[in-house]
Amino acid sequence: AAGVIQSPRHLIKEKRETATLKCYPIPRHDTVYWYQQGPGQDPQFLISFYEKMQSDKGSIPDRFSAQQFSDYHSELNMSSLELGDSALYFCASSLGRVEAFFGQGTRLTVV
Amino acid sequence: KQEVTQIPAALSVPEGENLVLNCSFTDSAIYNLQWFRQDPGKGLTSLLLIQSSQREQTSGRLNASLDKSSGRSTLYIAASQPGDSATYLCAVPSGGGADGLTFGKGTHLIIQP
Repeated sequence: AAGVIQSPRHLIKEKRETATLKCYPIPRHDTVYWYQQGPGQDPQFLISFYEKMQSDKGSIPDRFSAQQFSDYHSELNMSSLELGDSALYFCASSLGRVEAFFGQGTRLTVV
Repeated sequence: KQEVTQIPAALSVPEGENLVLNCSFTDSAIYNLQWFRQDPGKGLTSLLLIQSSQREQTSGRLNASLDKSSGRSTLYIAASQPGDSATYLCAVPSGGGADGLTFGKGTHLIIQP
């Protein structure tokens, strides 16, 4: 069965650089979510999209933005990266906001 | 604001034991609850989803129960195996019309061979 695909799996950036993370949800899922999981922490909700429209915002910094495209893939754009942005970033998708299926995540390291 | 607590934070048991992981949440107005497994540095694998109308859900050696009124869920793992070693996370909808899930901090489980 198709799963949520995230790319890249690993990313190393320097402080103040920009990063773009991509997410390809499960086909026919209507909702995409982004989460951030810091070292030793539980995942924190960042932002969600329902049918390509932004649905809700959580603890997403102003330096971050996201969008969902016509083919339903989503991108998380992160600018002016800080050391504290180093984390695992997960994308999840669901159909009808019921069961959420998570991707394998992108590990971002800011040096 | 929804808060999720998981007890114990860590657990180490010999192979073959049956064990129970606990999850509690503060806002009982949830429509479902999910249990996830996470291996170190890896993604979240959905183990079980319990709808608010259900009392329990089973998948293989896993059984999850939900008591909405008391704000509690348990994950029962039967006949534990070393391959069950991982962190188990409980998550509920954040509520208040918000999207997204609120997670507990997880139970780090080690099954000794």
